[in-house]
Amino acid sequence: QKEVEQNSGPLSVPEGAIASLNCTYSDRGSQSFFWYRQYSGKSPELIMSIYSNGDKEDGRFTAQLNKASQYVSLLIRDSQPSDSATYLCAPLWGADGLTFGKGTHLIIQP
Amino acid sequence: EPEVTQTPSHQVTQMGQEVILRCVPISNHLYFYWYRQILGQKVEFLVSFYNNEISEKSEIFDDQFSVERPDGSNFTLKIRSTKLEDSAMYFCASSDGTGDEQYFGPGTRLTVT
Repeated sequence: QKEVEQNSGPLSVPEGAIASLNCTYSDRGSQSFFWYRQYSGKSPELIMSIYSNGDKEDGRFTAQLNKASQYVSLLIRDSQPSDSATYLCAPLWGADGLTFGKGTHLIIQP
Repeated sequence: EPEVTQTPSHQVTQMGQEVILRCVPISNHLYFYWYRQILGQKVEFLVSFYNNEISEKSEIFDDQFSVERPDGSNFTLKIRSTKLEDSAMYFCASSDGTGDEQYFGPGTRLTVT
């Protein structure tokens, strides 16, 4: 059974601070990892993809992957109120279907 | 910027009726997907489609569901006999390679009464 665990939150972070979102997954077979942002009532929006161990940076976002620990994280620097959303971790097992976690609800406090 | 589009945005149907949800994937993408999200729950994979056939499907995707690419641009999900528990947001997604980034459409909210 493929399991993806995320702290549901809410995670409250002051504006301008770093938000740290974590995700663990159950199966070492996953090779691709994705972070999506979902605003209430909207569809998932792709933020980051990461395929190998280490860090990957894109603007204010940094994804970190540790396959040995089955752990992936997302850091958001200089958090803005517009970053308030639910963040979904989605490893890819096999070729096709993403397995989503329940998501972490992030609140950026002005 | 290219995007996935879906129609209708909201569909209301009676239990037992057939519905067809439509999607136009990003034009140069070759892999197509359907996901659903029941209100307050996580996004769940239904099916993936490549080269005019299903490449993977979940346990949710039973005999009442079918997918089709009727022409060069559209990708459809048909639910043959809707049940109350089919009420959910249905998202279409596409990617240009297996294992690659999947881009989601805005979704169709299906309400079964």
